[in-house]
Amino acid sequence: DTEVTQTPKHLVMGMTNKKSLKCEQHMGHRAMYWYKQKAKKPPELMFVYSYEKLSINESVPSRFSPECPNSSLLNLHLHALQPEDSALYLCASSQDGLAENTGELFFGEGSRLTVL
Amino acid sequence: DAKTTQPTSMDCAEGRAANLPCNHSTISGNEYVYWYRQIHSQGPQYIIHGLKNNETNEMASLIITEDRKSSTLILPHATLRDTAVYYCTYRMDSNYQLIWGAGTKLIIKP
Repeated sequence: DTEVTQTPKHLVMGMTNKKSLKCEQHMGHRAMYWYKQKAKKPPELMFVYSYEKLSINESVPSRFSPECPNSSLLNLHLHALQPEDSALYLCASSQDGLAENTGELFFGEGSRLTVL
Repeated sequence: DAKTTQPTSMDCAEGRAANLPCNHSTISGNEYVYWYRQIHSQGPQYIIHGLKNNETNEMASLIITEDRKSSTLILPHATLRDTAVYYCTYRMDSNYQLIWGAGTKLIIKP
């Protein structure tokens, strides 16, 4: 299994809703990443978990809350989002931990979020 | 500021080699260069990476200049399915993060 699986593929939510994005990998990878991508822009890093510990938080607003329940699973909890948070949210994983990884990132297909 | 610079768009005829340049003049000695591509509405896909030497795999070749300030991704025989946005990135030693360029939209024409 060489995939990073993200669910849901599409999500529409109101500004008062609470929802979660889910990401799974079964490759035994040691680091998992959340990226946000706006249209026609490159991905922007949000969070990195390395060995199940939060290693990077790129000054992301607290309405985004990451969680890494185990080494295969990464969640992004969403609450009180704004319309400008509408974007493609990408999950990625790497074989090694953040510091030692010099290999590729494996990306999921993304979750397209629309905030009304 | 750390960054990479790429042309906004390029065209290439099907069957010909596509050569995509990237400038990464702020790169340091131990920082790897990576190329990814993103086909519309999909997640980025890894293509190739390198440090100092030229690299080749089943998808592409990567040529890095001796001073490491620029690189070229070569798709040797482009097909219509190679139409995508190609991102040149490098991994910073200081914080292990990828620095992404704005990407080159490559259009392969029949």
